[in-house]
Amino acid sequence: GAVVSQHPSWVICKSGTSVKIECRSLDFQATTMFWYRQFPKQSLMLMATSNEGSKATYEQGVEKDKFLINHASLTLSTLTVTSAHPEDSSFYICSARDWRPSGANVLTFGAGSRLTVL
Amino acid sequence: DAKTTQPPSMDCAEGRAANLPCNHSTISGNEYVYWYRQIHSQGPQYIIHGLKNNETNEMASLIITEDRKSSTLILPHATLRDTAVYYCIVRAILGNEKLTFGTGTRLTIIP
Repeated sequence: GAVVSQHPSWVICKSGTSVKIECRSLDFQATTMFWYRQFPKQSLMLMATSNEGSKATYEQGVEKDKFLINHASLTLSTLTVTSAHPEDSSFYICSARDWRPSGANVLTFGAGSRLTVL
Repeated sequence: DAKTTQPPSMDCAEGRAANLPCNHSTISGNEYVYWYRQIHSQGPQYIIHGLKNNETNEMASLIITEDRKSSTLILPHATLRDTAVYYCIVRAILGNEKLTFGTGTRLTIIP
C-alpha cells in the first residue's frame, strides 16, 4: 500500500533555531500534502495544505512566515519551523492523498515528527 | 463537511467485538463516512469507509443505518494492539480533500 515517510521522527532544538521536517510519498505521487499539528491529549489540527509547484494554503491562525512549507516535487514536501520557541513543541504529522482503485479519497499519514524546543 | 459525534471513551475486553458508534445526522447525500485510528504517538491509520452499504475489510466492518444518520465501526475480535483513538469523519469523496478531525473515541482493550 501507499507509504508516507517523515524525517526526522524526533528532534530537539534550542530556542531561536529553525527545524526542517521532510515528508515523502514513497510509492506514489502526491500533488497535495497536508500538515497537521497535535498537542498532547488533543486531536490533530490542520495547519496547511501543501501544493506541488505553488504556494501552500494555510489554515486560519497559522503563521505562514513561521511555518514555511515547500512542495518542490511530486514526492516531497517540507515544513520548516523558523525561530522555534518552546510553545512550538508539538507532534507534526504530514499526509498525502492516496488514490485507491476504488477512487476512495483516502489520506495516508506519516508516522509523525516530535519537536521539542528547549 | 458534516459534523460527527462520538463517545469520548470506551473499554472492550480482549477477544470481544468492539462496537464504536458515530452520529452524523447532518450528513449530505454525497458524503462518505470514513474511519481512521491513531495509536499512541503514531500517525493516523485509515481503517474503512462507506457511503450507504455496509462494508467489510481485513481490519473492520462498517455498518451504516438506512437513513445514514449514524454508523458503527466493528472490530470483530479486539486485541491489545487495537487500543487507540478512533476518528469518524464525514466528507465528500471528491472536492475538498482535507480531513478535519474531531475528538474521536479512545478505545481501550482490556486483557
